[in-house]
Amino acid sequence: RKEVEQDPGPFNVPEGATVAFNCTYSNSASQSFFWYRQDCRKEPKLLMSVYSSGNEDGRFTAQLNRASQYISLLIRDSKLSDSATYLCVVRGNNNAGNMLTFGGGTRLMVKP
Amino acid sequence: DTAVSQTPKYLVTQMGNDKSIKCEQNLGHDTMYWYKQDSKKFLKIMFSYNNKELIINETVPNRFSPKSPDKAHLNLHINSLELGDSAVYFCASSPTVNTGELFFGEGSRLTVL
Repeated sequence: RKEVEQDPGPFNVPEGATVAFNCTYSNSASQSFFWYRQDCRKEPKLLMSVYSSGNEDGRFTAQLNRASQYISLLIRDSKLSDSATYLCVVRGNNNAGNMLTFGGGTRLMVKP
Repeated sequence: DTAVSQTPKYLVTQMGNDKSIKCEQNLGHDTMYWYKQDSKKFLKIMFSYNNKELIINETVPNRFSPKSPDKAHLNLHINSLELGDSAVYFCASSPTVNTGELFFGEGSRLTVL
């Protein structure tokens, strides 16, 4: 089982739609969680951290379920510019200390 | 000014050659990383340095050798290139070790023929 698993997609949605991605992680000792965004042929950039109580940043809402070991990202009112790959990232104790482990990403395509 | 810059951006070379990728950050960060993103888009950590000291060395062939002359630079040298080394190599930095925000360079796309 991969340490961080995501549905690769693509998720094809029309503008204005609400879309949600899930991510599961295998290490129950994981400490911190993040969503990164990577545009095509560009570098990843931090989108938002994920807090235990859930958090919102504009149209983006992140949730954490420690019991089930999954993280979610909800995007409301999708824009064309939201088209990208969304990477779930987990930091926790593992053989290499507190390094970040990236999921394979979920690709989102927002259509007009 | 680019915060994390790496050169070259594109590299096409033959199997068996030796090549280097350079990385510099002007953010004043203590920690720098090399990640490899393969054709399936998985980003995997290769190395991490904190204040010029190696702190993470994942299972990477010893043909890959990082070097950090100072905390603003982390270079990657690859000996005897193989077809499977073709990937995008991302340099990144962060203020400290225990942080979730990495600042990535634009990537260096290596193609081994």
